[in-house]
Amino acid sequence: EADIYQTPRYLVIGTGKKITLECSQTMGHDKMYWYQQDPGMELHLIHYSYGVNSTEKGDLSSESTVSRIRTEHFPLTLESARPSHTSQYLCASSEYRQNYGYTFGSGTRLTVV
Amino acid sequence: RKEVEQDPGPFNVPEGATVAFNCTYSNSASQSFFWYRQDCRKEPKLLMSVYSSGNEDGRFTAQLNRASQYISLLIRDSKLSDSATYLCVVDYNNDMRFGAGTRLTVKP
Repeated sequence: EADIYQTPRYLVIGTGKKITLECSQTMGHDKMYWYQQDPGMELHLIHYSYGVNSTEKGDLSSESTVSRIRTEHFPLTLESARPSHTSQYLCASSEYRQNYGYTFGSGTRLTVV
Repeated sequence: RKEVEQDPGPFNVPEGATVAFNCTYSNSASQSFFWYRQDCRKEPKLLMSVYSSGNEDGRFTAQLNRASQYISLLIRDSKLSDSATYLCVVDYNNDMRFGAGTRLTVKP
């Protein structure tokens, strides 16, 4: 049973649309992350958060934004989707004080046409 | 130089073979180490943590060499179901760094 949920699982959307990818976790984890991954390629960190009202940009430049108003919720928003945003987006969470590794959601596969 | 480097493979091995992956990391102050498994078009899942003393979980053995800054994963008696990409992960101060992954294909 998943403790971290991402919706939608798949999304096909037109260029220029605004989209929000949802991520929620029920583990009470302080740290949350968004990664972008193209098929067969490595993970790229695009955003992370240490807790409520904390958001940071990751290693890969991204046109997306994130918010962390509640501990359990870390949505990612694209104001104007482009074909170059087509990718898989993976959300993850972890405890802050003890590192037992990350738990990943099932991902959102985004296609912008 | 990348912070975490892995041989991308692919490793193509027959069922029952023993296969080993290595991973090197650049930050000597790294504190925690993990191996993750990622199936095609799925999310990464934690396979095992890696401890200084080495650890074993069934057919899987992980080892850490801090002096040489490398981590290894050994899979014995490989199964078809072991086919996946294996990600080496290194943590420094709660900042996890993922390797690009090593692809393994186990053939009948």
